[in-house]
Amino acid sequence: AQTVTQSQPEMSVQEAETVTLSCTYDTSENNYYLFWYKQPPSRQMILVIRQEAYKQQNATENRFSVNFQKAAKSFSLKISDSQLGDTAMYFCAFIHFGNEKLTFGTGTRLTIIP
Amino acid sequence: GAVVSQHPSWVICKSGTSVKIECRSLDFQATTMFWYRQFPKQSLMLMATSNEGSKATYEQGVEKDKFLINHASLTLSTLTVTSAHPEDSSFYICSARDWVGSTDTQYFGPGTRLTVL
Repeated sequence: AQTVTQSQPEMSVQEAETVTLSCTYDTSENNYYLFWYKQPPSRQMILVIRQEAYKQQNATENRFSVNFQKAAKSFSLKISDSQLGDTAMYFCAFIHFGNEKLTFGTGTRLTIIP
Repeated sequence: GAVVSQHPSWVICKSGTSVKIECRSLDFQATTMFWYRQFPKQSLMLMATSNEGSKATYEQGVEKDKFLINHASLTLSTLTVTSAHPEDSSFYICSARDWVGSTDTQYFGPGTRLTVL
């Protein structure tokens, strides 16, 4: 069975600081995609970043970057220069080739403190 | 990025009535869409997978006769909550599957808050 674990239910950091959200997953497959979605108070799910498992290079999107450790099955999200608008629930998610269903973690509630 | 709309964003209905929620992919074609339910402070729970031109596939424990799904075109899927009851009150979110540069990605609608009185 595929599972995604987010061990930090809540986190808070000061504005402009860097924060890292952790995510581990379990799968026996070799080909898959990993995602981070954010859900702000509006509840709109927004894609933050995605990573293909076959790529060794860590994905980066502006202030957001990941640390993908395939052997350790770890997929952490780093937010640099955090902004108030980054306050949201962050979900790590996983899908493997040939299976269209996303598996979500339980989420990490991130609060950016002014 | 790809845009998915959902309508209505908020609906209140009386117990026993039916409610239809629409999910549209605005700038891409989606052969597959998904319907989720989200309880307060929880993750998303997949209800069903909607495939264009075929019957939806429901997750275990989801009543297919209560939650009717129709995927009539490559840009539209609908979820109808039939004979709604207060326990059906929830936040319903749809997503549409898109291939972007060979990466399989789901894009989400803004959600529909359903309140059944």
